[in-house]
Amino acid sequence: GAGVSQSPSNKVTEKGKDVELRCDPISGHTALYWYRQRLGQGLEFLIYFQGNSAPDKSGLPSDRFSAERTGESVSTLTIQRTQQEDSAVYLCASSRLGNTDTQYFGPGTRLTVL
Amino acid sequence: SQQGEEDPQALSIQEGENATMNCSYKTSINNLQWYRQNSGRGLVHLILIRSNEREKHSGRLRVTLDTSKKSSSLLITASRAADTASYFCATDGGTGRRALTFGSGTRLQVQP
Repeated sequence: GAGVSQSPSNKVTEKGKDVELRCDPISGHTALYWYRQRLGQGLEFLIYFQGNSAPDKSGLPSDRFSAERTGESVSTLTIQRTQQEDSAVYLCASSRLGNTDTQYFGPGTRLTVL
Repeated sequence: SQQGEEDPQALSIQEGENATMNCSYKTSINNLQWYRQNSGRGLVHLILIRSNEREKHSGRLRVTLDTSKKSSSLLITASRAADTASYFCATDGGTGRRALTFGSGTRLQVQP
């Protein structure tokens, strides 16, 4: 594809509801990353998928957060029982190789939890 | 401070001036990258410098890396209003995490 795409671009939800965010990486990229960025802050690593290896979930802030990736394609990030502090922009990135390679970012999903 | 910490946090300059942003990190790295972010959305990769390199150029961008001081600088020459954005450095390796670690960024404002 032309680039990394994410959907939805904006999501407003009520506290306690579950949300699912989607990321379509660049075709052929083996690595996929999810980050969270709160307003005015830097990027906070959440999870990293690399090929068929077990994902690095060390950045997930709680067990309410989970993510899946089908092969080397689409990934979904699920947040259960959303809280107001989950409000942020969720960014997805992919790279051709692993962590030493350039990452290409999607436009992000802005999540607002009321 | 966290791995990949930029300073200053904010920088305001006039169009045509040079802008210098600095990044410090704590652990060993394989490479250091600089990214740009407009309006709080997706980041765009600017330049990657490997640990065995000291300086790299790309158009109006110049990046230096001093591994002995664990620091890097990004210089934007002849700045333009369109350079207004947030700039982040990102480091890999050392932390044991298989992903980049980003700093909190420098917000650059270029006044026309």
